[in-house]
Amino acid sequence: NAGVMQNPRHLVRRRGQEARLRCSPMKGHSHVYWYRQLPEEGLKFMVYLQKENIIDESGMPKERFSAEFPKEGPSILRIQQVVRGDSAAYFCASSTVDRDSPLHFGNGTRLTVT
Amino acid sequence: GEDVEQSLFLSVREGDSSVINCTYTDSSSTYLYWYKQEPGAGLQLLTYIFSNMDMKQDQRLTVLLNKKDKHLSLRIADTQTGDSAIYFCGRGGSASKIIFGSGTRLSIRP
Repeated sequence: NAGVMQNPRHLVRRRGQEARLRCSPMKGHSHVYWYRQLPEEGLKFMVYLQKENIIDESGMPKERFSAEFPKEGPSILRIQQVVRGDSAAYFCASSTVDRDSPLHFGNGTRLTVT
Repeated sequence: GEDVEQSLFLSVREGDSSVINCTYTDSSSTYLYWYKQEPGAGLQLLTYIFSNMDMKQDQRLTVLLNKKDKHLSLRIADTQTGDSAIYFCGRGGSASKIIFGSGTRLSIRP
């Protein structure tokens, strides 16, 4: 049973470009979460999605950031017009439908904005 | 809000026990979690405890929960060099997300 798969592992973008980060949840998991880890900091919750629905986006910046989890295919975290402050590790996690079930994390995408 | 707190660093001698502490303010969480992050990797679930339990033991790991004081600890017995990592405490939040502390960096002295 493959774990949570994120790609790419590393992504370099110039200021003003778009970044698209992909996450495939574990088999049998229908809930996806995105977290951001700034250098030398902890993990900050960004957004929680189920298939075709955003459940909680209380941690998403109001501008430039969006997330989706379509009926088919991976979840996508999209950052438009990236700035240097967006440089961070972005982690995806997934869980089952059971309330309070543990989150299983991917190895993250490290975004560097030059 | 960010209501989970941990000390940033802990240094222990190889073979000793490590105790990593965590406090939280929201008592409505059903589960509390410990995750481990090694360099360049994601978070690995170590263990979790239901909020009506006081203690959970799993091999070298012991979790203690003091619900009255909102204090959670992780004890690692016989600490080894492979235990060097950042340890994150987390509490279950609304809509099933986990709120994490800033992490405790554990380093092992020979």
